[in-house]
Amino acid sequence: AQSVSQHNHHVILSEAASLELGCNYSYGGTVNLFWYVQYPGQHLQLLLKYFSGDPLVKGIKGFEAEFIKSKFSFNLRKPSVQWSDTAEYFCAVSSNSGYALNFGKGTSLLVTP
Amino acid sequence: DVKVTQSSRYLVKRTGEKVFLECVQDMDHENMFWYRQDPGLGLRLIYFSYDVKMKEKGDIPEGYSVSREKKERFSLILESASTNQTSMYLCASSFWTSGEGAPDTQYFGPGTRLTVL
Repeated sequence: AQSVSQHNHHVILSEAASLELGCNYSYGGTVNLFWYVQYPGQHLQLLLKYFSGDPLVKGIKGFEAEFIKSKFSFNLRKPSVQWSDTAEYFCAVSSNSGYALNFGKGTSLLVTP
Repeated sequence: DVKVTQSSRYLVKRTGEKVFLECVQDMDHENMFWYRQDPGLGLRLIYFSYDVKMKEKGDIPEGYSVSREKKERFSLILESASTNQTSMYLCASSFWTSGEGAPDTQYFGPGTRLTVL
């Protein structure tokens, strides 16, 4: 069965620390990859996405993610986190043959001052 | 800006009641989706619709139905609410394709937190 797994459920970092959130998927064929973020009290919004081309994609607020096809991974990174990055982060995958997104269970990030 | 609105932010209902959750989008998107979000479980797809009057079951359709009579509106119906349907319900919409032959970005509403007593 197709699945998306996020390695860390809860992450606590100090401001200015580097961030890497893992995401692995099990899908056959062409995939489309997304990272969504949900800030406290706000709705889910797109952080970045990968459909094709350069496997290193840049998103909003200094985030980037790298698609490594051989590892079935799409890890999210940020070199220096800020307190305002405190949020829940969701990795999601869809295939070209489907419309719906399959979400991971999410990673809750807390950035302390 | 894409706007997806949901009829209520908070809703409290009693077991056995029929519950309607409404979602409206203003971007002429073909696709609309209903998810539920539970702590530790992420988002799970309940139903989606790719056209008016068309619907497809998602991963957890049991106990739910949907209606899409107009392109901009997608309703989720709990025929007989139960306590295990207490959850945050998220509506999303997207274009059919991004133009690159792939499903497009989904835009989410603010969610409805439903409590069933």
